[in-house]
Amino acid sequence: AQSVTQPDIHITVSEGASLELRCNYSYGATPYLFWYVQSPGQGLQLLLKYFSGDTLVQGIKGFEAEFKRSQSSFNLRKPSVHWSDAAEYFCATDNYGQNFVFGPGTRLSVLP
Amino acid sequence: DTAVSQTPKYLVTQMGNDKSIKCEQNLGHDTMYWYKQDSKKFLKIMFSYNNKELIINETVPNRFSPKSPDKAHLNLHINSLELGDSAVYFCASSQDLGYNEQFFGPGTRLTVL
Repeated sequence: AQSVTQPDIHITVSEGASLELRCNYSYGATPYLFWYVQSPGQGLQLLLKYFSGDTLVQGIKGFEAEFKRSQSSFNLRKPSVHWSDAAEYFCATDNYGQNFVFGPGTRLSVLP
Repeated sequence: DTAVSQTPKYLVTQMGNDKSIKCEQNLGHDTMYWYKQDSKKFLKIMFSYNNKELIINETVPNRFSPKSPDKAHLNLHINSLELGDSAVYFCASSQDLGYNEQFFGPGTRLTVL
């Protein structure tokens, strides 16, 4: 079965600092990978996705992610964090086209 | 216009009751899903339907029964509610099965007392 790990349960950064959230997956073939954000009390919003092609993908809100097959990783980055980025971030992979398998999530706190 | 909507947003009920959560999508998608998010924020698939046909039924108690009257709706019925059913339930939809982005509803927070 597919699995996704997010090693960091909680990360705190200062506003304006750079951010990297880690995601590792287990998959034999090329995975379909996603990053979603969940603001407090809200549903999940897609930030970006990787299906194939360029391994650096751009998303909304200034986020980007890089797919590295050799490391089985799909880390999310942002050069300068804003206070409104405080939320829960989920990495997910597609389970053979049937459903998503989500990582456990990383909670991001932003210090003023 | 909300793409994926769920009602109610909050549901508080007593143990043993039967309740339903409704989900509707206006995206014209063929596939719909129910996910459960527990208190630790862990998200897990419960069911998926494609063109009103059940595709996935994960290890979920049979007290949970999804019903899809048409492609735009996937409702979740829960019988004999237990304390452990307290969670946030998310409905989602995608264009069809297979490697597509999923669009999520706002969630329904179920609290069983």
